[in-house]
Order: sequence, then C-alpha cells, then structure tokens
Amino acid sequence: SQTIHQWPATLVQPVGSPLSLECTVEGTSNPNLYWYRQAAGRGLQLLFYSVGIGQISSEVPQNLSASRPQDRQFILSSKKLLLSDSGFYLCAWSVQFDTQYFGPGTRLTVL
Amino acid sequence: AQKVTQAQTEISVVEKEDVTLDCVYETRDTTYYLFWYKQPPSGELVFLIRRNSFDEQNEISGRYSWNFQKSTSSFNFTITASQVVDSAVYFCALAGANSKLTFGKGITLSVRP
Repeated sequence: SQTIHQWPATLVQPVGSPLSLECTVEGTSNPNLYWYRQAAGRGLQLLFYSVGIGQISSEVPQNLSASRPQDRQFILSSKKLLLSDSGFYLCAWSVQFDTQYFGPGTRLTVL
Repeated sequence: AQKVTQAQTEISVVEKEDVTLDCVYETRDTTYYLFWYKQPPSGELVFLIRRNSFDEQNEISGRYSWNFQKSTSSFNFTITASQVVDSAVYFCALAGANSKLTFGKGITLSVRP
C-alpha cells in the first residue's frame, strides 16, 4: 500500500532563516506530487505541483520554491522566511490527476 | 473559474444526532469530480469519497451518505447517528478539466457526548 511521509512534523523558525520541508511517498511510481498551505482560518491553497522529476509548476508567486530531485521526493524550500509563511503545510500525491492523498503535514511557525 | 461554497462554518450536535454538511459548487466544465475530505485535530486530510459528474447516484458507506444533485450543483454529506470521533473539519472539493482541486473553506463539526 502507498504511504506518504512528511518531516519535520513541527518547526519553529526565525524570520529570515532558510526552510526545507521534505515529503516522500512509498509504494507507487511516478506519482503527481503537490504542496498545499493551510493558513489560520483553514483555507487550503495549492502552492506547487509536479508531474515528474525536475518538473515543477508554481501556482502562487511567493517566497517559496519546490524541487523534485527523485521520483518520490518533493521538497519545499525558502531562502528567507517571512512571518506570513507560517501555516500548516500539506504534501499530497496522486496517480496522474486522480484522487489526491495527503500526508500528515508540517506545522511551521515563523517568529 | 471554479468555486466551492460551504456556507456552514461551524456545526455542533449531540451524539447520535444526524447532521448534514452542505456543499455547493460552480464550474463550467462538463466533466468534473467532487470530493469530501475529513481533517481531524491531528491535521491530516483523510479522503472520504470521490464522485464524477456523470454519476448522480447517492452513495452510502456505513453511517456516511452523500447526495449529489447536478440540478442544484450540490454535493451534500450526511452523517447518521453522529459520534464524538466524527468531530473534525470537513472539506468539500472540486476538480475540473484542469484537474486541480478547489477546496471549500471547510465546516467544523463538533459532536458532544
């Protein structure tokens, strides 16, 4: 069966520091991968998605970037965090553009 | 443009009551998919159901049932005999021709013992 992992689970970072969040999927090949952010007040915003290694589509221009160095690995990064980057970050996978399955999330607090 | 509206923001019921969560959507696509996800306090989004636009049959899974009506662009979710473990935020979502998910703002359901 497929499983999706995210780490770290929680993170507290100062403004201006770098960020790296990791997502890995097991049990499937060539999945579509997604990064979402859920700010306080719960709306889910699609940040990036990837249909293959090195292929990244950005949905919202912002302070973040994404990379997919391996088939089942998706990384969300920032060179300098802003206060507004605080939130709950969710990674998801799907077979092509079928149902998306979500990971446990990373709660990021920028102080 | 696609839009999902969950007009109810918070619902509180007593255990064993039935509760219906409303979802209204907008899309110009003729083929689309509708979803419900559950987000318990732990935060992970749990997939509950997917429905395609050509299948208007209602679905029942245990205490959960879904009513899809294209005529009113609604995809409502009913929990029968609610339990405390049903307490969570519930999201309705839509995927159209571009396959990207558009989420509603979610409904916080509290089930009191």
